[in-house]
Amino acid sequence: ETGVTQSPTHLIKTRGQQVTLRCSSQSGHNTVSWYQQALGQGPQFIFQYYREEENGRGNFPPRFSGLQFPNYSSELNVNALELDDSALYLCASGSPAGVADTQYFGPGTRLTVL
Amino acid sequence: GNSVTQMEGPVTLSEEAFLTINCTYTATGYPSLFWYVQYPGEGLQLLLKATKADDKGSNKGFEATYRKETTSFHLEKGSVQVSDSAVYFCALSALYSSASKIIFGSGTRLSIRP
Repeated sequence: ETGVTQSPTHLIKTRGQQVTLRCSSQSGHNTVSWYQQALGQGPQFIFQYYREEENGRGNFPPRFSGLQFPNYSSELNVNALELDDSALYLCASGSPAGVADTQYFGPGTRLTVL
Repeated sequence: GNSVTQMEGPVTLSEEAFLTINCTYTATGYPSLFWYVQYPGEGLQLLLKATKADDKGSNKGFEATYRKETTSFHLEKGSVQVSDSAVYFCALSALYSSASKIIFGSGTRLSIRP
């Protein structure tokens, strides 16, 4: 069983730019969630995707958007980057939707916005 | 709403000491409870979980018991090792609309001296 993978590992962008982060879910999992972890804090829920549709969103603005593909890979897109967007972005997969259960996390993408 | 409160760090112990990291939660319904561990520069790894009251999760010598009456899920280990140095996150899984999301505490940094 393969784990959750994410790319790239690190990324540096400037304020106002757009970024796309990628995730490949664990085999057999049909939901993918994205979390933002600021330095020294716990991860915060951004949104979850199930069957290629957004299934729930945390307290993040619309410039954070995502996609889920038929093979359960996923993208997180952030437009109009702000300095406060600098964080570790974590992807997590789980199964099934609608059940409060375990999520398995990838290694994360560290985004730095200058 | 749902929330997790955990012992603030950093916690510094000598090798072979006994470890307790306190965690309490507030939740509606009956959430699953987790401890995740984050080693330096890495993503989150699931350490252990419990899905109902009085369940005990255990892994790698760590244990935690789901106490509904005290709404607690304290992490314990009888004899810590230098390799246990990491940040530990207590978390619960809750349904948000139809999405399952993990709500994390702020993390406790543990350092073990040889």
